[in-house]
Amino acid sequence: DIQMTQSPSSLSASVGDRITITCRASQSISNYLNWYHQRPGKAPKLLIYAASSLQSGVPSRFSGSGSGTDFTLTISSLQPEDFATYYCQQSYITPWTFGQGTKVEIK
Amino acid sequence: QVQLVQSGAEVKKPGASVKVSCKASGYTFTNNGITWVRQAPGQGLEWMAWISVSSGRTHYAQKVQGRVTMTTDTSTSTAYMELRSLRSDDTAVYYCAREVGAHIASFDYWGQGTLVTVSS
Repeated sequence: DIQMTQSPSSLSASVGDRITITCRASQSISNYLNWYHQRPGKAPKLLIYAASSLQSGVPSRFSGSGSGTDFTLTISSLQPEDFATYYCQQSYITPWTFGQGTKVEIK
Repeated sequence: QVQLVQSGAEVKKPGASVKVSCKASGYTFTNNGITWVRQAPGQGLEWMAWISVSSGRTHYAQKVQGRVTMTTDTSTSTAYMELRSLRSDDTAVYYCAREVGAHIASFDYWGQGTLVTVSS
């Protein structure tokens, strides 16, 4: 199985901050990488697909980059509704796997 | 608008089975796959299974292989996930999600989740 490792596991930030979350795959997955966030008690929400494509309706402050084994999710100016847990997920080969999550908390 | 509505919470004893439904609306059901993801209390997301609604082809995670069956009913646009021989570590919120992407699969619409509690 492909292992997905996110860093950091958690971070504290303020509204307006720029933050970056990284995701590393245990083998090359080309650009078969998606990003989701999940607010407490809610279902996950797709933010970025194919490593860098913004899902319809998602604010442009979210961006993704990377290819191969290393990927990043950047939020250019953190908003109150962005405090959530973020997950990367590979769809290169089944079993599709998620990273362990990065919890973004209010400083 | 696209919606996935799941069945309600379940409490089961170890060794029993559970069948969770996921009713889709707002799109052509046979055009997309359906995937199931679960989340144990306080834990991350775990992909379990996928079904092509049009062909019936399935993929299952090894952890649940042999205990899980995914089916669909195209007449009611409903997907089902049955998990057998339940154990305490199957306690989780189970989500269905619509798979999109002709080339790179992602999950763009999710059900509200169904809590399955396994307890004696």
